[in-house]
Amino acid sequence: AQKVTQAQTEISVVEKEDVTLDCVYETRDTTYYLFWYKQPPSGELVFLIRRNSFDEQNEISGRYSWNFQKSTSSFNFTITASQVVDSAVYFCALGSNYQLIWGAGTKLIIKP
Amino acid sequence: KAGVTQTPRYLIKTRGQQVTLSCSPISGHRSVSWYQQTPGQGLQFLFEYFSETQRNKGNFPGRFSGRQFSNSRSEMNVSTLELGDSALYLCASSSSGRTYEQYFGPGTRLTVT
Repeated sequence: AQKVTQAQTEISVVEKEDVTLDCVYETRDTTYYLFWYKQPPSGELVFLIRRNSFDEQNEISGRYSWNFQKSTSSFNFTITASQVVDSAVYFCALGSNYQLIWGAGTKLIIKP
Repeated sequence: KAGVTQTPRYLIKTRGQQVTLSCSPISGHRSVSWYQQTPGQGLQFLFEYFSETQRNKGNFPGRFSGRQFSNSRSEMNVSTLELGDSALYLCASSSSGRTYEQYFGPGTRLTVT
């Protein structure tokens, strides 16, 4: 079975703290894609990053970084020096068979 | 490029009625996917279309159906609405679907009373 688990339901930190959102996935496919999306209160899902199963290089984009480890089936997301505008629900997803399988989401609250 | 557009944005229907939601993908994108988002079940895949053909379907009853037109625009229909169908319905488009890099519209918020 294919599954994505985001064990953290809600995280609350003070602005400028670093925060890591965890994502663990299960799949038998050898080729797959992993994603992170952000959903602000407006409701629209915003694409953040895609990784394919053959590319385990970590990625950094500004204050965002992603750590993909196939050995532990994890694809974690870190925000450095968090800001209030980062407050949103963050979803991790697994791409397989023309669909995205979603985690339950982590609600991130950044307090000023 | 214009993003994914969905109409209407908000809809209120009564139990037993049917509803049609529309999605216009990003220009040049041929794959359209639909998702249902509820507080209890989270984001769930409904179906995906590519060049007017349904390639995959999620675990939803037959009351949920969709189609895609030759211009890649897509519609989904829900017949005999139930209270549990109240949800945010999201449409996503991608160029081919193979890389799963999907761009989402703002969604249609359906409320069934």
